[in-house]
Amino acid sequence: QLQLQESGPGLVKPSETLSLTCTVSGGSISSGTYGWIRQPPGKGLEWIGTLYYGGSPAYNPSLKSRVTISVDTSKNHLSLKMSSVTAADTAVYFCASAMTTVSPFDPWGQGSLVTVSS
Amino acid sequence: SYVLTQPPSVSVAPGQTARITCGGNNIRSKSVHWYQQRPGQAPVLVVFDDSDRPSGIPERFSGSNSGSTATLTINRVEVGDEADYYCQVWDSSSDRIFGGGTKLTVL
Repeated sequence: QLQLQESGPGLVKPSETLSLTCTVSGGSISSGTYGWIRQPPGKGLEWIGTLYYGGSPAYNPSLKSRVTISVDTSKNHLSLKMSSVTAADTAVYFCASAMTTVSPFDPWGQGSLVTVSS
Repeated sequence: SYVLTQPPSVSVAPGQTARITCGGNNIRSKSVHWYQQRPGQAPVLVVFDDSDRPSGIPERFSGSNSGSTATLTINRVEVGDEADYYCQVWDSSSDRIFGGGTKLTVL
């Protein structure tokens, strides 16, 4: 079955770029839909963006200017880059898979905590 | 942009029925998905497409969607059901949207 695992630095300095990787196992990243979701400490889930197979990515309008989601098919990786981070970007970042545009996210990775601090 | 509204908290005694609502404009025209998130864990899908259950999810979990409200119903609530629950839809103008979440407390 499909499994996802996030990885990346746990600490990022303000104004720098946050970079996370989601490794997909048990299936090919070349098909399907993948997304990133984050959760600030003690708060709810916030959709960041979705990369559709064979299509263009869709981003949360509130984050669009700072976010890039891409895929490396040779490594079966999904990547997230978020520029100009501030303390408000401190959160657990999840990657997740979906079958289609309107499908739910299932499964999810375990999440990766990123703290923005100097 | 499309907004989903959930009550911040719901409390229920063990063995009783918990109902968690998710409100949105004409939500009945959308497919609603529900996730359970226990502390320190990733969300888990418990109901999709309004009322379908993934394999492995107990029949105690069910969903409905009509009018302007979707509802997640948990029958015969157990202590282990205590968690945060989130509804989610896809909208053509906003893509994926999550409700604010509801904390289910089992008294």
